Amino acid sequence: DAGVIQSPRHEVTEMGQEVTLRCKPISGHNSLFWYRQTMMRGLELLIYFNNNVPIDDSGMPEDRFSAKMPNASFSTLKIQPSEPRDSAVYFCASLAGSAHNEQFFGPGTRLTVL
Amino acid sequence: KNEVEQSPQNLTAQEGEFITINCSYSVGISALHWLQQHPGGGIVSLFMLSSGKKKHGRLIATINIQEKHSSLHITASHPRDSAVYICAALSGGGADGLTFGKGTHLIIQP
Repeated sequence: DAGVIQSPRHEVTEMGQEVTLRCKPISGHNSLFWYRQTMMRGLELLIYFNNNVPIDDSGMPEDRFSAKMPNASFSTLKIQPSEPRDSAVYFCASLAGSAHNEQFFGPGTRLTVL
Repeated sequence: KNEVEQSPQNLTAQEGEFITINCSYSVGISALHWLQQHPGGGIVSLFMLSSGKKKHGRLIATINIQEKHSSLHITASHPRDSAVYICAALSGGGADGLTFGKGTHLIIQP
């Protein structure tokens, strides 16, 4: 298995532009997580899906952020409009079964908003 | 909200030394997750434990639920162990309760 796949790996954009980050979880995994990592705040959970359904989006910072999971093999995290403070590394992770099982992380997308 | 604290924040040691990284949390949890983040940025899950001790190679993780404390030990440390180690507390039964520590930056010098 190729593991969790994220694209793009790096994104540089200008303030106000729309940004879409993509994630393909490991086949058969039923939970998917979006995290953000910054120097100041470390890793933070933004939203997670179970069986393609958003369970908790309380970590999503603002209405500018939205996430979708149209099917079991694809999820997107969209920021519109983007702001410089959104610059961070965004990780996607997936797991199979219980929340106590191991999460598998993607390589992350490094976002820079100028 | 669970507060997760790690210590030390930074640790530099010589190859071969025994390493201990500590993690404490403020609210009772159902499990604790130890992660390793390599210098290139990739994150790997090391352990998920809810009681006792787990061992994988030179890595050992322990947890004391009553004291709300977990430790990660590395025996016979090696420069390739240099990474950021992050603990995350899982509250309740759902993954939405995952709260991360700020990480411990470990450097092992040859």
